[in-house]
Amino acid sequence: QKEVEQNSGPLSVPEGAIASLNCTYSDRGSQSFFWYRQYSGKSPELIMFIYSNGDKEDGRFTAQLNKASQYVSLLIRDSQPSDSATYLCAVDADAGGTSYGKLTFGQGTILTVHP
Amino acid sequence: DGGITQSPKYLFRKEGQNVTLSCEQNLNHDAMYWYRQDPGQGLRLIYYSQIVNDFQKGDIAEGYSVSREKKESFPLTVTSAQKNPTAFYLCASSPQAYSYNEQFFGPGTRLTVL
Repeated sequence: QKEVEQNSGPLSVPEGAIASLNCTYSDRGSQSFFWYRQYSGKSPELIMFIYSNGDKEDGRFTAQLNKASQYVSLLIRDSQPSDSATYLCAVDADAGGTSYGKLTFGQGTILTVHP
Repeated sequence: DGGITQSPKYLFRKEGQNVTLSCEQNLNHDAMYWYRQDPGQGLRLIYYSQIVNDFQKGDIAEGYSVSREKKESFPLTVTSAQKNPTAFYLCASSPQAYSYNEQFFGPGTRLTVL
């Protein structure tokens, strides 16, 4: 059973701070990694994806991937109250199998940004 | 206006009934997916389809059925065999079949068993 684990949270940060969300995965063959944001009562919204080791930046968001450590993280700089949501990490299945397109989701981390 | 639509937004089912949740996309995406989300939980994959007339079971397919007769449509039937169907159901699509594409979600259907 492929597993994706996220830091349990909830995570509370002050406005303007850096929020750090972490995710580990069990399948060493995984190649694609996604971060989704989900507001309460709404569907998930894709905010970042990363395929290669290292950092990928998009505005206030930075995704970091370390395949050797099987670890992916999301940093949110200058956190705003509007960033308060549940953040879901998702990992694609091993390409060596027949699971193209399947994603395994973590349980999510609730982030609260307080003014 | 491109996107993924799901209907209905809310659905109530009596014990022993089958119900069908609609999912339509006009993004010309190849692959489509159904997930279930329970309160405080991540998403669990029910069924997925990479191409028309082909679909595969996900991690929790028991008690569910799907069809993929058209590229833009992927309806999910929740049968009476699904013993605990109350959940938030999410449909997603991704651009290419058999690829590591990002998935985009519809607004979801909340199913409640009375």
